[in-house]
Amino acid sequence: GAGVSQSPSNKVTEKGKDVELRCDPISGHTALYWYRQSLGQGLEFLIYFQGNSAPDKSGLPSDRFSAERTGGSVSTLTIQRTQQEDSAVYLCASSLELARVSPEQYFGPGTRLTVT
Amino acid sequence: KNQVEQSPQSLIILEGKNCTLQCNYTVSPFSNLRWYKQDTGRGPVSLTIMTFSENTKSNGRYTATLDADTKQSSLHITASQLSDSASYICVVICVYGGSQGNLIFGKGTKLSVKP
Repeated sequence: GAGVSQSPSNKVTEKGKDVELRCDPISGHTALYWYRQSLGQGLEFLIYFQGNSAPDKSGLPSDRFSAERTGGSVSTLTIQRTQQEDSAVYLCASSLELARVSPEQYFGPGTRLTVT
Repeated sequence: KNQVEQSPQSLIILEGKNCTLQCNYTVSPFSNLRWYKQDTGRGPVSLTIMTFSENTKSNGRYTATLDADTKQSSLHITASQLSDSASYICVVICVYGGSQGNLIFGKGTKLSVKP
């Protein structure tokens, strides 16, 4: 009965480097969401997947951000040429279906990214 | 524009006391409203989910209310405990997804319970 897992839990990287964050959703969950939470701020929606498809990528803050999901399961969020303002906690969540049909959404513990 | 506003931004109370957190929203069309608890360094965990027709829902010492006419919700915590110290996030689900996959998040209320 594993929940949503994310790796790494902490990542420190130098400005300009690329980073890859991983999310393992709950088995069987078709919907997967990525959020960013900066210090003292609310959750900022980044992107969601229904299966392997991301219907709308306009929530991503810049073209340095990309995400993919394969096999309807694991998702990776990639940030290229990281900047200091990318420092935040990146949270992943999954649910059986999209929220409009009211399924419960389960969050992972997050990846704390620090760009130095 | 779909928005969720929470108040207060932060709150300090003594252990054993009650408190009420507020959430106002301008999300339309409304599907349901959720309150989440987020402990420091952890992901949010759902406390309650309320649909349009529900006025109140309880989960132990947590009681959420919803007034769909005024578009307001509150989360009441009874007999607070030190472990209640966390951020409480109000999330409103819109029927149509748009770019956010339906979920509109408030910024949260940071609650500190002191002994």
